[in-house]
Amino acid sequence: GAVVSQHPSWVICKSGTSVKIECRSLDFQATTMFWYRQFPKQSLMLMATSNEGSKATYEQGVEKDKFLINHASLTLSTLTVTSAHPEDSSFYICSASTGGYNSPLHFGNGTRLTVT
Amino acid sequence: AQSVTQLGSHVSVSEGALVLLRCNYSSSVPPYLFWYVQYPNQGLQLLLKYTSAATLVKGINGFEAEFKKSETSFHLTKPSAHMSDAAEYFCAVSDNNQGGKLIFGQGTELSVKP
Repeated sequence: GAVVSQHPSWVICKSGTSVKIECRSLDFQATTMFWYRQFPKQSLMLMATSNEGSKATYEQGVEKDKFLINHASLTLSTLTVTSAHPEDSSFYICSASTGGYNSPLHFGNGTRLTVT
Repeated sequence: AQSVTQLGSHVSVSEGALVLLRCNYSSSVPPYLFWYVQYPNQGLQLLLKYTSAATLVKGINGFEAEFKKSETSFHLTKPSAHMSDAAEYFCAVSDNNQGGKLIFGQGTELSVKP
């Protein structure tokens, strides 16, 4: 079956530094990837939708200059949290689809970010 | 706008008992509804989805859900709970039948007592 790999699975960084999270589709080409954020004991909030080769579409209230998303190839999307602060500590999950908006979704295993 | 509400942030059942997790939706267009399961520190696994075909949807691991338009509900059930069912469950709504941009409910944590 289709596999989505996220790396790293967990990361600890100091306040003010930047962190990059990778989301890879291992055995299929992902035209569209979605990035979610999940606070402890809470639901998943969609942050942005990225399409290969174009700019990401951010949800209302998500700072695009803070959460940089790059979808440069059909198998890789990256989320970079710039100038991280403790309030950015969260669980970030990506999902990928094979053929745009109406294609099956496959989720990564998430990345636990802790900013100290 | 679409939204889902899951009633009960935590549900506890005994092993072998019926599992019932509630989900109500709001949608201005015909909804596509999904149930996902999440184990600690992991991503989401699709349990089942409603895509306007049969109103009773059977999923993996013995779960099923019934779409009731009159009640705007899509409750998840399983006749007999297993210890391995303990996890977080999310109901989600989308405007397309494969997922895409999903709007999630708040989640329900299911505990299973021996």
